[in-house]
Amino acid sequence: DGGITQSPKYLFRKEGQNVTLSCEQNLNHDAMYWYRQDPGQGLRLIYYSQIVNDFQKGDIAEGYSVSREKKESFPLTVTSAQKNPTAFYLCASNGVDRGKEEQYFGPGTRLTVT
Amino acid sequence: SQKIEQNSEALNIQEGKTATLTCNYTNYSPAYLQWYRQDPGRGPVFFLLIRENEKEKRKERLKVTFDTTLKQSLFHITASQPADSATYLCALEPGTASKLTFGTGTRLQVTL
Repeated sequence: DGGITQSPKYLFRKEGQNVTLSCEQNLNHDAMYWYRQDPGQGLRLIYYSQIVNDFQKGDIAEGYSVSREKKESFPLTVTSAQKNPTAFYLCASNGVDRGKEEQYFGPGTRLTVT
Repeated sequence: SQKIEQNSEALNIQEGKTATLTCNYTNYSPAYLQWYRQDPGRGPVFFLLIRENEKEKRKERLKVTFDTTLKQSLFHITASQPADSATYLCALEPGTASKLTFGTGTRLQVTL
């Protein structure tokens, strides 16, 4: 079955630690995205990548980093510089051609930092 | 400034009635607009895309309109069912780089 997987579903970390969230897709999509969702604020774009070895900052990139070494994978690192890291993180992907604009989302990772 | 507004208050309707959700935007000229459904604790699921040159689109019990003059999209679910209960998000392509900007979503609750 094609789709997007995110792991783990729940993640707990102590303040000051970096943490990496995994996102893998087998849909052969060129573009991948990371969003953060907080209650009442909808989805906010952190980083996105339209091609391997290239990525761009979204609206709230500070305190986060990404890599895109393979088409299938787009891991997100939440660094200790992120002031409010506790949130629900969603990864998505889509094709870049007309007619393939809908984004496919993973199940999300809920990160709690204490 | 650019804004997408969806009614943050939950919409409660009775089974069988038509639910209408609203998405208003300012200072965007989107090439298209999308609607997604999100259940609690899960990722959003794509529902429908409507382009700037399309005024209306239908899919089963769903009708979506897109008025680029009013800068508004309406999402209608007819003959609503309790299974339609979820949060519905609108998202638009702001004209650059094929990324999406999402609204905050409206929670729909359909009761028996």
